[in-house]
Amino acid sequence: GEEVAQTPKHLVRGEGQKAKLYCAPIKGHSYVFWYQQVLKNEFKFLISFQNENVFDETGMPKERFSAKCLPNSPCSLEIQATKLEDSAVYFCASSQVPSGPYNEQFFGPGTRLTVL
Amino acid sequence: AQTVTQSQPEMSVQEAETVTLSCTYDTSESDYYLFWYKQPPSRQMILVIRQEAYKQQNATENRFSVNFQKAAKSFSLKISDSQLGDAAMYFCAYRSEGGGADGLTFGKGTHLIIQP
Repeated sequence: GEEVAQTPKHLVRGEGQKAKLYCAPIKGHSYVFWYQQVLKNEFKFLISFQNENVFDETGMPKERFSAKCLPNSPCSLEIQATKLEDSAVYFCASSQVPSGPYNEQFFGPGTRLTVL
Repeated sequence: AQTVTQSQPEMSVQEAETVTLSCTYDTSESDYYLFWYKQPPSRQMILVIRQEAYKQQNATENRFSVNFQKAAKSFSLKISDSQLGDAAMYFCAYRSEGGGADGLTFGKGTHLIIQP
């Protein structure tokens, strides 16, 4: 598609439950990024992929967060045993292989996760 | 690690006037990219303008321009002839030049209010 698609739009989970978010990057884009925006508006970079390979996961809380980008499937971000502080909007972005010195990241509309 | 600082949590400007949003950053890298993103209440992230660190000329996009001071590590956004549609959160962001899959580091944002 021509836009980054994220599903679901909203997700509500009880504390301790699992949450799984999906992202379909723009067709032809090789890079995928996940960001977390908490309610104070602060963005945090979580992880990036180059095709199905993890490129940078320095922002991921690894004990409960995991992410995958498998061929011919939407990318996913999974949170095991959600905590109240995981409540946030999770954005996915994608970009193409740079043909010049720069490649723009295109953002999806986000998934709002509420943990009760 | 790089950091981005936006010292103005909120700014207000009269319609048709000019406003400047400030951003400073800290990095030990010599090559990088800087961005301003707009986030309206819909939460959609919209790229406003970008600047390559190796370019001395300040970027301009219609009513939006930047003042990039590399030595001072400063990257301010000037919005001329402010319009009601400019009301939004504005985020300054940094990206390393290293590769296509580097994540963005964001500032905490500035809430821009346009007074009619």
